[in-house]
Amino acid sequence: DTGVSQDPRHKITKRGQNVTFRCDPISEHNRLYWYRQTLGQGPEFLTYFQNEAQLEKSRLLSDRFSAERPKGSFSTLEIQRTEQGDSAMYLCASSLRPRDTQYFGPGTRLTVL
Amino acid sequence: AQSVTQLDSQVPVFEEAPVELRCNYSSSVSVYLFWYVQYPNQGLQLLLKYLSGSTLVKGINGFEAEFNKSQTSFHLRKPSVHISDTAEYFCAVSPSFSGGYNKLIFGAGTRLAVHP
Repeated sequence: DTGVSQDPRHKITKRGQNVTFRCDPISEHNRLYWYRQTLGQGPEFLTYFQNEAQLEKSRLLSDRFSAERPKGSFSTLEIQRTEQGDSAMYLCASSLRPRDTQYFGPGTRLTVL
Repeated sequence: AQSVTQLDSQVPVFEEAPVELRCNYSSSVSVYLFWYVQYPNQGLQLLLKYLSGSTLVKGINGFEAEFNKSQTSFHLRKPSVHISDTAEYFCAVSPSFSGGYNKLIFGAGTRLAVHP
């Protein structure tokens, strides 16, 4: 396994712009999770997928956020009209089954100017 | 709802000394418990997890944790730390169901600083 990969690793954008992040889970992992981590805090759950179905969304995921996993493989997280409060590390994790370990990627660090 | 409290934001310790990182949780349902470690500029890595069975759980790198249901705690211990253990440690819980678990709820983290 090559591990969970995320792209880009860093993103700097201006307030009001749209950004999209990509996550490639470990091969054959059915579950994919998105978390957000702000400085000095632990990760906060955003949403998760079972194959291509989005099964849960956190209240943190405002209408400006949308996540997809169209073919049950990679996933994208889009933030529209970014705000300075969106600045954070966005983490992706995957697991094979509900009882298995969630493996985390290196994250995408977003800075909104 | 579930919540996790990591009682110490920073723990300084000398090399080869023992260490305990404290974690308390709150939940009205059964939970699974986890400790993750985050080394500088690296992703989160699972140290150990408690799903069921023995309340003493052994993990990687010589760490262990004990689940105490009555005290709703899951403290992490290591008898002798190394400089390389310097990192951020996160305690997490997840509501359990018959098939497993879903989202992780993390504490704010404890920064372990090991000094020579």
